[in-house]
Amino acid sequence: GEDVEQSLFLSVREGDSSVINCTYTDSSSTYLYWYKQEPGAGLQLLTYIFSNMDMKQDQRLTVLLNKKDKHLSLRIADTQTGDSAIYFCAEEDSSYKLIFGSGTRLLVRP
Amino acid sequence: DVKVTQSSRYLVKRTGEKVFLECVQDMDHENMFWYRQDPGLGLRLIYFSYDVKMKEKGDIPEGYSVSREKKERFSLILESASTNQTSMYLCASRPGLEQETQYFGPGTRLLVL
Repeated sequence: GEDVEQSLFLSVREGDSSVINCTYTDSSSTYLYWYKQEPGAGLQLLTYIFSNMDMKQDQRLTVLLNKKDKHLSLRIADTQTGDSAIYFCAEEDSSYKLIFGSGTRLLVRP
Repeated sequence: DVKVTQSSRYLVKRTGEKVFLECVQDMDHENMFWYRQDPGLGLRLIYFSYDVKMKEKGDIPEGYSVSREKKERFSLILESASTNQTSMYLCASRPGLEQETQYFGPGTRLLVL
């Protein structure tokens, strides 16, 4: 079945860039998503990319998609302490269901 | 703004109790979803609903049932709660199948003793 994998933990210094990586298996995914979860809260959609795009930029966020390698990344420029959270990558399967990765915990050090 | 609300943020129940988790969305969305979130496992889909009175099993439906009598409300039912159902439960809704995103509620943290 479909699978989405992410590294579990990333630590960066405030002001640096963060890059969170994700690999997925379903090549028919139409959309791929990045969600953010702050402590004790639900998931908040950060951004998404349509599968026929290579890159999408939205303020401090840049999403890169390599369809050949089934690799998705999220870059956060000028990372702030408020960016500390868990980030989930998700792909959409052929039944329009979302398949989530296990989440990457981002820690931003002052 | 889309709003998805869940009836409780925290719940403590005993093994064998019947548990109802309620989710309400106010944007006339057709699709609603129930997930559970466990450390290191990400989100796993329990059940979803494409429309009123319709339901489909997700990846881990065992031990759960659902009810969608009204479009805005999707209930998750644990018929006889067990300790391995201690988890964070997240509800989500989506306008329609080909819309691009799901909107999540704040979650219900359930502890089964």
